[in-house]
Amino acid sequence: KQEVTQIPAALSVPEGENLVLNCSFTDSAIYNLQWFRQDPGKGLTSLLLIQSSQREQTSGRLNASLDKSSGRSTLYIAASQPGDSATYLCAKDNDMRFGAGTRLTVKP
Amino acid sequence: DAGVTQSPTHLIKTRGQQVTLRCSPKSGHDTVSWYQQALGQGPQFIFQYYEEEERQRGNFPDRFSGHQFPNYSSELNVNALLLGDSALYLCASRWQWGGYTFGSGTRLTVV
Repeated sequence: KQEVTQIPAALSVPEGENLVLNCSFTDSAIYNLQWFRQDPGKGLTSLLLIQSSQREQTSGRLNASLDKSSGRSTLYIAASQPGDSATYLCAKDNDMRFGAGTRLTVKP
Repeated sequence: DAGVTQSPTHLIKTRGQQVTLRCSPKSGHDTVSWYQQALGQGPQFIFQYYEEEERQRGNFPDRFSGHQFPNYSSELNVNALLLGDSALYLCASRWQWGGYTFGSGTRLTVV
């Protein structure tokens, strides 16, 4: 059974901290990998897409990396802000299965 | 450019009834996937449609069925509704191997 694990399940940090969210897969076969954020009761907003030929992607304060050999991806958020508070989810697109996500709270 | 559009936004049904949810993909996208998300959990993959055929299916019973139309829009049908089918249903679309774009979802409540 292919599983997606996201660590930590929840994270609470003061504003301004840099933080790292982790995503790992039992099946390391990966094509594209995508990170999303989800606000309560809403749909998913795409943050970063790492295509199969890439190892990382950056957008503003966000950086995502992918290590195919270990089946792991990391989302780095720099200088966190209260508006970053949401649930962060990862999925690899050959099967588009999600983990339970990391619930992030950034305190002012 | 409209993103993924889902309708209706909210729906209340009685146990045993049937429901149809609709999804219009983002312009230029040809692949549509459906997900069920229970409260506090990650989205669970139901199935994916491409060229009007079901290409992949998750671990959902046959009560869950779908369709894709020639204009790439899609429907999700659920028969014999159970209380446990209450969830947020999400539709996502993409073109070939590009990234997925999600709609805002349909909140289904079964009473």
